[in-house]
Amino acid sequence: QKEVEQNSGPLSVPEGAIASLNCTYSDRGSQSFFWYRQYSGKSPELIMFIYSNGDKEDGRFTAQLNKASQYVSLLIRDSQPSDSATYLCAVNLGPTSYDKVIFGPGTSLSVIP
Amino acid sequence: GAVVSQHPSWVICKSGTSVKIECRSLDFQATTMFWYRQFPKQSLMLMATSNEGSKATYEQGVEKDKFLINHASLTLSTLTVTSAHPEDSSFYICSARDSRGLNYEQYFGPGTRLTVT
Repeated sequence: QKEVEQNSGPLSVPEGAIASLNCTYSDRGSQSFFWYRQYSGKSPELIMFIYSNGDKEDGRFTAQLNKASQYVSLLIRDSQPSDSATYLCAVNLGPTSYDKVIFGPGTSLSVIP
Repeated sequence: GAVVSQHPSWVICKSGTSVKIECRSLDFQATTMFWYRQFPKQSLMLMATSNEGSKATYEQGVEKDKFLINHASLTLSTLTVTSAHPEDSSFYICSARDSRGLNYEQYFGPGTRLTVT
């Protein structure tokens, strides 16, 4: 069973702090990795994707990938109350799995003003 | 870019009737679209993968005769919930994979909230 795991939270951080969201995956053949943000009652919104080991930065968001450890994370700097949402980690299993993308259960983030 | 629309955004229907939901990629071509269902406070559940011009691939436990999927063009996929029952009430979300995207990123539509009475 190919899985993506995340801490369900809720993760609470004060406004202005760094929020760190973690994700592990089971399939070593996984090719690319995505972070989505989902506000309550809305559909997911793509924040970032990463496919190479290391860090990728986009504004206040930094995605980190370590394929050897099968671990991907999302850091949100200077967290704002508007960042309060559920964050979904998604993994592309690669061509041997028809490039199927599977989602983790999501981590609920609450940024306290 | 990468905008996906869904119609309707919400629908209420009576038990036993059928409901069709449309998913369109507005500014890109999508050879592959996905249909998800999400119950309150739960994660996304992939129902089926829809490929343009071919039959959909359904996930285990999803009834293909109840959830009819048609992907007639590179920008349109439809999901028809046949003989709907109250337990089918859920948030249905489609996503589309940009054919040009090298990393197979998916873009989600806004979702359709279905209530079966």
